[in-house]
Amino acid sequence: GESVGLHLPTLSVQEGDNSIINCAYSNSASDYFIWYKQESGKGPQFIIDIRSNMDKRQGQRVTVLLNKTVKHLSLQIAATQPGDSAVYFCAENGGGYQKVTFGTGTKLQVIP
Amino acid sequence: DAGVIQSPRHEVTEMGQEVTLRCKPISGHDYLFWYRQTMMRGLELLIYFNNNVPIDDSGMPEDRFSAKMPNASFSTLKIQPSEPRDSAVYFCASRGQGSIFREQYFGPGTRLTVT
Repeated sequence: GESVGLHLPTLSVQEGDNSIINCAYSNSASDYFIWYKQESGKGPQFIIDIRSNMDKRQGQRVTVLLNKTVKHLSLQIAATQPGDSAVYFCAENGGGYQKVTFGTGTKLQVIP
Repeated sequence: DAGVIQSPRHEVTEMGQEVTLRCKPISGHDYLFWYRQTMMRGLELLIYFNNNVPIDDSGMPEDRFSAKMPNASFSTLKIQPSEPRDSAVYFCASRGQGSIFREQYFGPGTRLTVT
């Protein structure tokens, strides 16, 4: 399963640089947010999540920032590697606990 | 664990034909989700099940689409009759009772092309 990316916004980053992928959400009731990575031919894969009572959360080489005031989410990838090339989606739970709504996605291209 | 298994991986069919997509969730998972991914609409939730019971099918586009989960280890998504606009990648995902979204795992998807 490939993510269809012909009309996705694309971010091109030099290998070793930091990447910042942005996402705007619309539902002010959302209190849980997730970033997914989708590589070509695969399904989305969980990267990191954050609850609305936090504004920052760090994982391995990734950091998610949440600004509830402007309904904005960002994913920072440190020292970007070729294996980071993929489409990245943010998702929000809409205040519920059973399902999430996905954003449109950003394609990250890492230039060796 | 083999993860979520979907079949077929690719399906090409003619308009008007019936299409059945299959999913085997991860063993022990109580929730099963069907998603559709298209260029125009991105990744959309079609329907999800809890303990084999459909909970929310508000994302199912129309009556041509139906989904079943006869047991905990198998689900189908059927399109009858199929139309070219149904062409998309269909994903199945599962997670366990009491788990949160980080523990939701997606299958590899089925790429459907309706000509």
